[in-house]
Amino acid sequence: KNEVEQSPQNLTAQEGEFITINCSYSVGISALHWLQQHPGGGIVSLFMLSSGKKKHGRLIATINIQEKHSSLHITASHPRDSAVYICAVRRVGGGSNYKLTFGKGTLLTVNP
Amino acid sequence: SQTIHQWPATLVQPVGSPLSLECTVEGTSNPNLYWYRQAAGRGLQLLFYSVGIGQISSEVPQNLSASRPQDRQFILGSKKLLLSDSGFYLCAWSPISYGLQFFGPGTRLTVL
Repeated sequence: KNEVEQSPQNLTAQEGEFITINCSYSVGISALHWLQQHPGGGIVSLFMLSSGKKKHGRLIATINIQEKHSSLHITASHPRDSAVYICAVRRVGGGSNYKLTFGKGTLLTVNP
Repeated sequence: SQTIHQWPATLVQPVGSPLSLECTVEGTSNPNLYWYRQAAGRGLQLLFYSVGIGQISSEVPQNLSASRPQDRQFILGSKKLLLSDSGFYLCAWSPISYGLQFFGPGTRLTVL
């Protein structure tokens, strides 16, 4: 079993819909990252969070440390939100506080 | 503002040939630098990490190597490429080891 699991693997939505992408992890972490990979391959860091909730524009990321679960929400989705969304965790201990463990990503397609 | 550059953007190389990919960061000093590989259908995999000039940590045994000859320059290389080295190579930087990471545009390598 992977240490970081994302669901769904693929998601298709209509423009304007509310989107939720989930990330579950099985290890102790100090932080969780959400990344966006555009069709051309470029990656943008969206959020880094260790507790609670963060919001940036139409994007909201939440994390529940006790349940080892995070969600990325997109409100009023738009075709330009189409991308692969990747969850990554920073494990505690082991002397590797720089290392991220990545999920396989969720491919989001928003149709007009 | 900080920017990160990678080149080349795409590369097609025969098996057994050498490789040199370059990454440079502008607008910051003493960044933490990372090399990642994304193989087809797989998640991001950390290859190398550097906290300073000449300091390289290798995460995965392979026929690749990395060097950091200058503070803001990170080079990924190989003496002899394998078919399995094909993939999308991303360089990233962060101001601190446990901070948000910022990714370069990537190099798509095809080994034939």
